[in-house]
Amino acid sequence: QVQLQESGPGLVKPSQTLSLTCTVSGGSISSGSYYWSWIRQPAGKGLEWIGRIYTSGSTNYNPSLKSRVTISVDTSKNQFSLKLSSVTAADTAVYYCARTPAWARIALFDYWGQGTLVTVSS
Amino acid sequence: EIVLTQSPATLSLSPGERATLSCRASQSVSSYLAWYQQKPGQAPRLLIYDASNRATGIPARFSGSGSGTDFTLTISSLEPEDFAVYYCQQRSNWPPAFGQGTRLEIK
Repeated sequence: QVQLQESGPGLVKPSQTLSLTCTVSGGSISSGSYYWSWIRQPAGKGLEWIGRIYTSGSTNYNPSLKSRVTISVDTSKNQFSLKLSSVTAADTAVYYCARTPAWARIALFDYWGQGTLVTVSS
Repeated sequence: EIVLTQSPATLSLSPGERATLSCRASQSVSSYLAWYQQKPGQAPRLLIYDASNRATGIPARFSGSGSGTDFTLTISSLEPEDFAVYYCQQRSNWPPAFGQGTRLEIK
C-alpha cells in the first residue's frame, strides 16, 4: 500500500521561500506509472492544485502560481519537493502531496498524504 | 480555465436518507469528473472517477452520473460516516480544478 508523507517547516516568514518534501513509501516514485502533485487548502476553504512532476522531471504548474513554484524529484530518496517563493499570508494553508495514475493524463488523485500546515507569519 | 460550481453549499439530511449533490462545469468536461470526500482533519479520499466509476474500496451506496457540464453524486442511504464535505474535480482541461465543496451535515 503506497503512503505519502509531507514534511517541512510549519512556519515561514513573509517574502521567504516555502519548502516541503513528500516521501513516498510502498512503491517506487520512478516506476513511471504515476505523476506526483502538490495541492493546498487554506483553512475552511477549497482545494487548489499547485503543480506536478513526472519521474523524468517534466513538470506542469498552475498558471496562477507558476511564477513562484518549483517542483523537483529525487528518485534516489523516493521523494519529490515543492518550493514556493515570495510567500505572503495568502499562502497559509494545509499542503498535500498526492499521486495521479499516468493513465489519468491530467489529474486524478488516488492517494494523498495526510497534509502539513504551513503558516506564513513574521 | 474551467470553473466547477457545486450545489447546494450545505445539505442537511438524516441517516438513512438519500443525498443528491450537484456539480456544474463552466464548459464541457466530457466524463472527466471525479468526486472526493473529506472529513475534518483528513485528506480528501477519491470516491468516483470519470463521472461514474467507483474507486477501489468505495461502497456501492455511492454512485455518480452525468456528462458534459452537469454531474451528480448520489448516496443512496446515508450512513453516519458519510457526513463530510464533498468536492468535485475536473481533469478535462488544464489546470485541474476543484469545486468549492458541498457540506453534508446531520439534520
